[in-house]
Amino acid sequence: DQQVKQNSPSLSVQEGRISILNCDYTNSMFDYFLWYKKYPAEGPTFLISISSIKDKNEDGRFTVFLNKSAKHLSLHIVPSQPGDSAVYFCAASGIGGGADGLTFGKGTHLIIQP
Amino acid sequence: EPEVTQTPSHQVTQMGQEVILRCVPISNHLYFYWYRQILGQKVEFLVSFYNNEISEKSEIFDDQFSVERPDGSNFTLKIRSTKLEDSAMYFCASSGQGADTEAFFGQGTRLTVV
Repeated sequence: DQQVKQNSPSLSVQEGRISILNCDYTNSMFDYFLWYKKYPAEGPTFLISISSIKDKNEDGRFTVFLNKSAKHLSLHIVPSQPGDSAVYFCAASGIGGGADGLTFGKGTHLIIQP
Repeated sequence: EPEVTQTPSHQVTQMGQEVILRCVPISNHLYFYWYRQILGQKVEFLVSFYNNEISEKSEIFDDQFSVERPDGSNFTLKIRSTKLEDSAMYFCASSGQGADTEAFFGQGTRLTVV
């Protein structure tokens, strides 16, 4: 049962354009969402997060949008740069304040083309 | 910048043997996790550890698995009798206040069971 879904295994975007990565979830108990970036042979690196009480969080070139009614979140990267090429994982956690493990999506491989 | 370190980076073991994967979490963190990623699949939660005990574990974390914090710095994952399907990248992570804050991941240990 995939509680966090990233339906696009890969995405190719031209350098300088906007990259939009999508994520859907099914568990309504999730209340905190995170995006991780992963390069080959490295562990996931935290990128940006959003609490369910917000619908947008921005950090430099990265913005995460949350649509709770649709159980959908997206990560926007603008402008996209070659170093952004990596696998991006959407992750979610349950009721805040605990030590719940993260539930990850399968990842989207973002390829930034020059 | 503080980081989570894992050793070894690659472990090859024979089926049925015991392995211990080691992790040094970030020093002032209180929550510790193990995740794994089978090749080509998503990152999966195994176990979380807080206050010297397991706080949550997934279905994957059966009786073959155990975790320990033998001293103030190390956090280990033991697999008692390895199976071929245990071959995966194992990631250790730690966080200061629970998984709903950013979790910092180590570089991973690639376990190959032959």
